[in-house]
Amino acid sequence: GENVEQHPSTLSVQEGDSAVIKCTYSDSASNYFPWYKQELGKRPQLIIDIRSNVGEKKDQRIAVTLNKTAKHFSLHITETQPEDSAVYFCAADSSYKLIFGSGTRLLVRP
Amino acid sequence: DADVTQTPRNRITKTGKRIMLECSQTKGHDRMYWYRQDPGLGLRLIYYSFDVKDINKGEISDGYSVSRQAQAKFSLSLESAIPNQTALYFCATSDRTGKETQYFGPGTRLLVL
Repeated sequence: GENVEQHPSTLSVQEGDSAVIKCTYSDSASNYFPWYKQELGKRPQLIIDIRSNVGEKKDQRIAVTLNKTAKHFSLHITETQPEDSAVYFCAADSSYKLIFGSGTRLLVRP
Repeated sequence: DADVTQTPRNRITKTGKRIMLECSQTKGHDRMYWYRQDPGLGLRLIYYSFDVKDINKGEISDGYSVSRQAQAKFSLSLESAIPNQTALYFCATSDRTGKETQYFGPGTRLLVL
């Protein structure tokens, strides 16, 4: 079955710097890769997703890149702000369900 | 997202007790999911259902059972709770394709003593 690995598990950056979170997956049939943000005490919410027919997608300060050959995808946050502090999860689809990575706790220092 | 609700929000129970967690949605989605969240382990799928007559085991189904009473309702049961089932439980829904956004409920924090 699908296995999704996510790194790093924790990430601390200075406000204004960029943050990058990386994920790898094992199922070559996967073609949908969402990213979820979970603020403290809240539910996970989708922030961006990408499908296998594109290599990059941007939404303001957030971008996701996908390398299907290497089976990895990454989340890029530019000009980080304190409100970006949260846990971020990547996921990949497998047999019509999502398999999640173990999460990255991002701390943005003011 | 108020369209997906879970009850109770918090529950403390004792080892060996039966407990049911309930999920309801008003989004009209066919697909519903139960996840467990533990620190450092992300979201792990317990059970999922693609419609009222469909129930599937996820990666960690042992010790759990589910019931899909209607399109809008999906319940998770712990027949005999044990302490290592202490966790945060999330219900989620998605549209027919399964390759769209999953909408999560607010979560149920369960403590098994």
